[in-house]
Amino acid sequence: EVQLVESGGGLVQPGRSLKLSCLASGFTFSNYGMNWIRQAPGKGLEWVASISSSSSYIYYADTVKGRFTISRDNAKNTLYLQMTSLRSEDTALYYCARHGKRGNYFDYWGQGVMVTVSS
Amino acid sequence: DIVMTQTPSSQAVSAGEKVTMSCKSSQSLLYNENKKNYLAWYQQKPGQSPKLLIYWASTRESGVPDRFIGSGSGTDFTLTISSVQAEDLAVYYCQQYYNLNTFGAGTKLELK
Repeated sequence: EVQLVESGGGLVQPGRSLKLSCLASGFTFSNYGMNWIRQAPGKGLEWVASISSSSSYIYYADTVKGRFTISRDNAKNTLYLQMTSLRSEDTALYYCARHGKRGNYFDYWGQGVMVTVSS
Repeated sequence: DIVMTQTPSSQAVSAGEKVTMSCKSSQSLLYNENKKNYLAWYQQKPGQSPKLLIYWASTRESGVPDRFIGSGSGTDFTLTISSVQAEDLAVYYCQQYYNLNTFGAGTKLELK
C-alpha cells in the first residue's frame, strides 16, 4: 500500500525557516517524481514544487521561487521542503504527492502537515 | 502561466441527479505529438486529502466508479457524474500538467 507521511510542520514566526519531510513507503520511491502542494485554510489547491526521480529536474511556483528548496533522499525514501523567509501567506496545509506512472498528475497524496506563519 | 477556470463554484444537487461541471484552460492542453490532453480531475471531501479521479482528461483512475466521466479537449473540459450519490458531495478540482501545474478554484457539490 502506498503511503506518504508528512512531518515537520508547526507555528513559525515570519521571516524564519522550517523544513518539512515526507516519508514514502509501499512503492519504489526512486522511480517516481514527487511534489509539494499546499492548501491555505478554506482555500483551493496550489502546486508548490516538483522534483524528478533522480533530482535532475526541479521546478517551483513563482510564489515560492528563491525561498523554498525541494530535495529528496532516495536511500531514505524521503522528500523534503526547506522553507525560508516564511510569510503569513505561506500558512497552509502542505501535502506531499506522487506523480503518476504515466504523467505528471498526482496519483497519491499524504494526509498533509500544517504550517502556520504568525508572530 | 496557464489559468484554469472552473464553473460553477458551487452546485446544489439531489441524489440520483446527473451533474456536469466545467473546466476551461487559458491555452490548449492538447499535445499534438501524442494527442493527449494534459488534464486531471480530483475529488476532495471535507477533512480529507484530494483523490485522483481522472487523468488524460478522460482516463478513469483504478477503482473510481464509472459514474465519473471526464470529457473534452483543447481548452474545454467537463466532469460528469451520471447519477450523484451522497458520498460524492465534495469539492472537485481540475489540474493542468501541460506546463508545470495549475489547479482550478474548484466546484463544490452540496446537497439540495
